[in-house]
Amino acid sequence: DAEITQSPRHKITETGRQVTLACHQTWNHNNMFWYRQDLGHGLRLIHYSYGVQDTNKGEVSDGYSVSRSNTEDLPLTLESAASSQTSVYFCASSDSPANTGELFFGEGSRLTVL
Amino acid sequence: AQTVTQSQPEMSVQEAETVTLSCTYDTSESDYYLFWYKQPPSRQMILVIRQEAYKQQNATENRFSVNFQKAAKSFSLKISDSQLGDAAMYFCAYRRGGGNKLVFGAGTILRVKS
Repeated sequence: DAEITQSPRHKITETGRQVTLACHQTWNHNNMFWYRQDLGHGLRLIHYSYGVQDTNKGEVSDGYSVSRSNTEDLPLTLESAASSQTSVYFCASSDSPANTGELFFGEGSRLTVL
Repeated sequence: AQTVTQSQPEMSVQEAETVTLSCTYDTSESDYYLFWYKQPPSRQMILVIRQEAYKQQNATENRFSVNFQKAAKSFSLKISDSQLGDAAMYFCAYRRGGGNKLVFGAGTILRVKS
């Protein structure tokens, strides 16, 4: 079965360190997204990609970057982790909105920055 | 920019009773989709129900139904015959027609009492 997987599921790091969260999907979806979930804010969009070599900033992109070198993967990098980036991060992918456009989520990665 | 508002941070319901979760949204678009997602303690995001704005009929999925009031920009979720397994965080979300990105509300925690 097709799926979307994130790793690591849990990570603790220190302020200033670079962190990369991996996201891999086997749906063959062109669209991929990174959200962060914080209490009181719901899910907020960090970055997204509509295909290989395409990346776009979301509403909370400062301090984050992504790259899309193939269809399956969209890693999220925190260049210099800050305590404000302690959160749960979700990767998602979707089909074209011309089809169902349904969003499929990974299981989330909990990041703690000390 | 589109916004989604969930005004109830927490709700409680007795097992077997009915509960309604509120959601309002702001958009100038005429073509869009609305969603309710469930997030149990496992963190997995599960699509509960979706509504196309062009459809006047309210969507229904088993015990879950929506009250879609397009003019009022309101999209509430009704859960009938509540079960312990319904306890979760519920998110309302919006997607512009032809678009790919979802905009989420802050979420409502639903507690089910036995």
